Amino acid sequence: QKEVEQNSGPLSVPEGAIASLNCTYSDRGSQSFFWYRQYSGKSPELIMSIYSNGDKEDGRFTAQLNKASQYVSLLIRDSQPSDSATYLCAPGDLRGATNKLIFGTGTLLAVQP
Amino acid sequence: DAGVTQSPTHLIKTRGQQVTLRCSPKSGHDTVSWYQQALGQGPQFIFQYYEEEERQRGNFPDRFSGHQFPNYSSELNVNALLLGDSALYLCASSLGLAGGGRYEQYFGPGTRLTVT
Repeated sequence: QKEVEQNSGPLSVPEGAIASLNCTYSDRGSQSFFWYRQYSGKSPELIMSIYSNGDKEDGRFTAQLNKASQYVSLLIRDSQPSDSATYLCAPGDLRGATNKLIFGTGTLLAVQP
Repeated sequence: DAGVTQSPTHLIKTRGQQVTLRCSPKSGHDTVSWYQQALGQGPQFIFQYYEEEERQRGNFPDRFSGHQFPNYSSELNVNALLLGDSALYLCASSLGLAGGGRYEQYFGPGTRLTVT
């Protein structure tokens, strides 16, 4: 079993729709979770962090965490073509001074105009 | 507020050579982590530096080494380059143990290394 599993996609949604991105992880000890957006040829950009069970909203983005199910998701409301990118889920493994991020392979999101 | 910077942007090396990549963390951050991202894959953790010491290491051989300087900047060195080392090398900065549990990592633009 992979440490972090994401559907590689592509996930295709029409402009204005809600995009739902899912991620499962294997390490029950993970306490922090991060979503990054990566445009082709660019570096990952942090868009959401979540530390507690439940929902966390920031603008058009909502992260949802369920530690018992080892599941984290990202909802993007009113999807725009500019949201088309690969979305990387990364639980943190805190053993050193800061998190060791463990990335999935990412889900490619394509928003159709 | 300067973000994370990395140099060089691109690099082409020959098998067997050695390479040094550089990173300056975001202002106020004291911890640097290095990741390798192969094409089509998520970033893989190489190691992490805090207070000028390597604090955590991923599954990378000893050919990969690093250093952190008193100003928190960092270098990644790779010896005896292999074709498989071709990848995007990413530096991420964050707050370390003094961060109060806020461990968000911010990535630099990366260095694209090609080994021929």
